[in-house]
Amino acid sequence: DTGVSQNPRHKITKRGQNVTFRCDPISEHNRLYWYRQTLGQGPEFLTYFQNEAQLEKSRLLSDRFSAERPKGSFSTLEIQRTEQGDSAMYLCASSLVEATKAFFGQGTRLTVV
Amino acid sequence: AQSVSQHNHHVILSEAASLELGCNYSYGGTVNLFWYVQYPGQHLQLLLKYFSGDPLVKGIKGFEAEFIKSKFSFNLRKPSVQWSDTAEYFCAPPPCNFNKFYFGSGTKLNVKP
Repeated sequence: DTGVSQNPRHKITKRGQNVTFRCDPISEHNRLYWYRQTLGQGPEFLTYFQNEAQLEKSRLLSDRFSAERPKGSFSTLEIQRTEQGDSAMYLCASSLVEATKAFFGQGTRLTVV
Repeated sequence: AQSVSQHNHHVILSEAASLELGCNYSYGGTVNLFWYVQYPGQHLQLLLKYFSGDPLVKGIKGFEAEFIKSKFSFNLRKPSVQWSDTAEYFCAPPPCNFNKFYFGSGTKLNVKP
């Protein structure tokens, strides 16, 4: 399968712990996006990269959130000192710069207890 | 701000019923729009897209959508739904317009067998 891959698929963590998610985009895609989806809502934009450069961050992305894409390939999203409100599905997508469509991973479901 | 809105949050239909899901956009200039579908437990997939030309767009699995500029709408339709159409449907402009996705809040469709 050469689609977008996200790991882990599910993560349960205690409040206050740090978590890290990984996204492997389609190999030739230079853009990579992170979204968060909570129950009953559409995906909310968090941040995106063009190659290794993080070009935009949403105000939703508090200081506890950080994303990296060190070599312009895979990306990680880290949440420090998790809170119950962080419980959501975290989606990754990738595309070419001139994208007319993006490809989504299956998401990482985070539950903070 | 560029955005789309979906007014039907939850739709319940019986098999063979006709479907129409509303999507309205509120931005000017060149209007391009997508419909995405998210089946239970799966990632978002592209259903159909409108860029220009024929305002009636046909997508996969028997879905179609009509772009009506005078009504700022891009409603999704299917003449006869199946149980397998149970999913959440999102309307969005493509990333090449705005460098990221703006999603509607989604419409959850339940089709009763």
